[in-house]
Formats: sequence, C-alpha cells, structure tokens
Amino acid sequence: EDQVTQSPEALRLQEGESSSLNCSYTVSGLRGLFWYRQDPGKGPEFLFTLYSAGEEKEKERLKATLTKKESFLHITAPKPEDSATYLCAVPPRGGSQGNLIFGKGTKLSVKP
Amino acid sequence: DTAVSQTPKYLVTQMGNDKSIKCEQNLGHDTMYWYKQDSKKFLKIMFSYNNKELIINETVPNRFSPKSPDKAHLNLHINSLELGDSAVYFCASSTGQGNTEAFFGQGTRLTVV
Repeated sequence: EDQVTQSPEALRLQEGESSSLNCSYTVSGLRGLFWYRQDPGKGPEFLFTLYSAGEEKEKERLKATLTKKESFLHITAPKPEDSATYLCAVPPRGGSQGNLIFGKGTKLSVKP
Repeated sequence: DTAVSQTPKYLVTQMGNDKSIKCEQNLGHDTMYWYKQDSKKFLKIMFSYNNKELIINETVPNRFSPKSPDKAHLNLHINSLELGDSAVYFCASSTGQGNTEAFFGQGTRLTVV
C-alpha cells in the first residue's frame, strides 16, 4: 500500500536553531514528492516539488532534498514566522495528477 | 484575486440536513479536487474531477457528491449529514498535466450538531 510517514509529529525549536523534518514514502515509480506548509485555519500552501533522487530545492530558510526512500526538509536558522505544519505528499501509483497521499505532518514551533 | 476560493468558510448545521460547499478556481486549471481534513489534521482525497473523468475515493459515502457546472467550479453536495462528517473540507486544483502541484482553497469548517 502506498504510504507517507512524517517525523517527528511535533518539533519545537529556538529561533536560529537549525533542524530537519523527515518524510519517508513507500510508492513505486515515484512521480514527484511535494512539500506544503499549512498555517492554522488555512489551506496547504505549496512549497516544493522534487522528482528524482539527489534533487535539492531551496526557498529562503528551507531546503528540500530527496533520496530513493525519503525526503528531508532542512530549516536553517528558523524564525518564529516559520512556525506551521509542514506536510509531505506523493501521488499514488496509477493515481490521477494532483491526487495526493499526504503524511500527517510535522508541527513546527519556533520560539523567539 | 484568490486563486482557489471556497464558500462558506464556516458551516454549522444539524444532523440529517443537506448542504453544499462551493468552490471556484481562476487559475485555468483542468482538474479540481475535494479533500477532507479530520480532527487529527489528516488530509485525505475525496474526489478528483476534470471535464472527462470523475474519480471517487472508494471510502467516501455516496451521500457526498461533486457537481461541476463548468471547468472553473466544483461544488460538494452532502446529503443527510452525520456527526462524523464534521471536518474541514478543502477544494484544490491543478493543471492535471504531468506531475504538477495542487493549489488549495482556504477550507470550509463543517460542524454537524
């Protein structure tokens, strides 16, 4: 069964304390891995798409990397405004485009 | 302009009622979706739809039905609402071509009492 598992469930950091979030997946023939950010009371906001092992993408303090079994979202010197839930998702094998399997997310809290 | 917009943002209703949630996208996308986010914040696909094909997640009760008057709109009708239907419902859209990302609306929080 296609599956996405994220860890940790929750992460508390001090401002400036770098860390990484993990997303492991079990789906054959990966057709992209998506990272989203979700703020309370809002819809998921797209961050990155990664397609192949070794690929990296960056946006401000965030960098996403991909291997054959997992993806990492590295957060460098986070600020309080980076606090959110970060979701990882993959299209299921044979699924229609945009039909995504989501992980349960990592809730990140950054304290000043 | 909001890319994917849903109305209403909040919906409180009694068990047994029938309700609808509207969704519109102005991105020119071909494919639209409905997702459900439960109390544990777990986001699951309910439907994906383009002008050719409706794909229904087999776990979705048939009390739920998507209706698309045109390519830019996908409404969600729910009949005979149950307490367990309480959740946040998100509409999303994508180009439907290649491995493209989906863009989400702000969500509709449905509470069934």
